[in-house]
Amino acid sequence: ETGVTQTPRHLVMGMTNKKSLKCEQHLGHNAMYWYKQSAKKPLELMFVYNFKEQTENNSVPSRFSPECPNSSHLFLHLHTLQPEDSALYLCASSQIQGTQETQYFGPGTRLLVL
Amino acid sequence: RKEVEQDPGPFNVPEGATVAFNCTYSNSASQSFFWYRQDCRKEPKLLMSVYSSGNEDGRFTAQLNRASQYISLLIRDSKLSDSATYLCVVNSGAGSYQLTFGKGTKLSVIP
Repeated sequence: ETGVTQTPRHLVMGMTNKKSLKCEQHLGHNAMYWYKQSAKKPLELMFVYNFKEQTENNSVPSRFSPECPNSSHLFLHLHTLQPEDSALYLCASSQIQGTQETQYFGPGTRLLVL
Repeated sequence: RKEVEQDPGPFNVPEGATVAFNCTYSNSASQSFFWYRQDCRKEPKLLMSVYSSGNEDGRFTAQLNRASQYISLLIRDSKLSDSATYLCVVNSGAGSYQLTFGKGTKLSVIP
């Protein structure tokens, strides 16, 4: 519906597991984003990719590792997470042009770290 | 000071009511402004962009006051389907495509 898909939609993992979140956008956009949304907190930008190049890393711990193989796909590799990392992880994409641009979000992956 | 601050809410209003949301932002260099809507356990979706001259889309009106760094959203003739959390969003400055989100204000429209 939105043109941005994410898998899996739900994930439960232990602190020693390694997992990856996947995002794909079908909108022909040139920028992709990872956000974290925790309860009672605003969306927090984690990473930005512009034309496959990472341009922002907002002090995210190294246990989160992004990968952008092309402008349509974005991954977030997870390892040795902590329970406080449990949250909704949202992917978004946009077409960077001018100053007024809209970001389109995927449905998110709801992550629970035990 | 929080970068984007919104009314704490929640707002509980009857159908047909007019409701106004306010938002202030701290970065005077911000140039892009938006209202997003987020339904429970869903992703945020763009409701409308906010332009300096103000803009209207059906029952929704957005206003921007750059001098006061203030954004508003007015919803007229509220519908049950308007129940959601409304997020005030600004970009991080001239030429920046990084967006900063407010915590959101929850609206419940009651029959």
